[in-house]
Amino acid sequence: AQKVTQAQTEISVVEKEDVTLDCVYETRDTTYYLFWYKQPPSGELVFLIRRNSFDEQNEISGRYSWNFQKSTSSFNFTITASQVVDSAVYFCALSEPNTNAGKSTFGDGTTLTVKP
Amino acid sequence: GAGVSQSPRYKVAKRGQDVALRCDPISGHVSLFWYQQALGQGPEFLTYFQNEAQLDKSGLPSDRFFAERPEGSVSTLKIQRTQQEDSAVYLCASSPTSGRVDTQYFGPGTRLTVL
Repeated sequence: AQKVTQAQTEISVVEKEDVTLDCVYETRDTTYYLFWYKQPPSGELVFLIRRNSFDEQNEISGRYSWNFQKSTSSFNFTITASQVVDSAVYFCALSEPNTNAGKSTFGDGTTLTVKP
Repeated sequence: GAGVSQSPRYKVAKRGQDVALRCDPISGHVSLFWYQQALGQGPEFLTYFQNEAQLDKSGLPSDRFFAERPEGSVSTLKIQRTQQEDSAVYLCASSPTSGRVDTQYFGPGTRLTVL
């Protein structure tokens, strides 16, 4: 069965600090996709990144970076030089196209608060 | 609009009432998903449409939940005889292709409160 664990329920940092959000997943499939979404107070989930299981190359997009490690089944998300606008709930999600028909399983989210 | 829209944004229902939640996906998007998000939790999959065909409804929690997308665009999620445990935010998402792992674009959700 597929499962996503975001062990950090809440994180609070001061602006300009770096912060890493952890995501650990469980899957029996060799083909799967991992996602990160941001959910600001307005409630709309905003897509941040999608990564397939065959691409372990880390990715950087501005202040955001992602570290995918199959050996530890982790897909961690780092925000560098955090800003107040980064305050939101962040969700990690897993999708298995072959065994679970691609439906996404979400973690319970990490609430990030960035204080000025 | 350019994004996914949902209406109403907020709905209060008395226990036992029927409700209908609407989703307008991005124009031309083939796939449409419904999720239920309880307070403090991540979204949980309810059902999936490819055009007008409902290909997966395994996440619907009971037979009181029913979804349709008759013309392959707008979708409606109907909940009959609402119960307090149905209180949640209902999210709709669409994606441009039939691939279920394509990027999903989410609407703002409908917050349902059952009294």
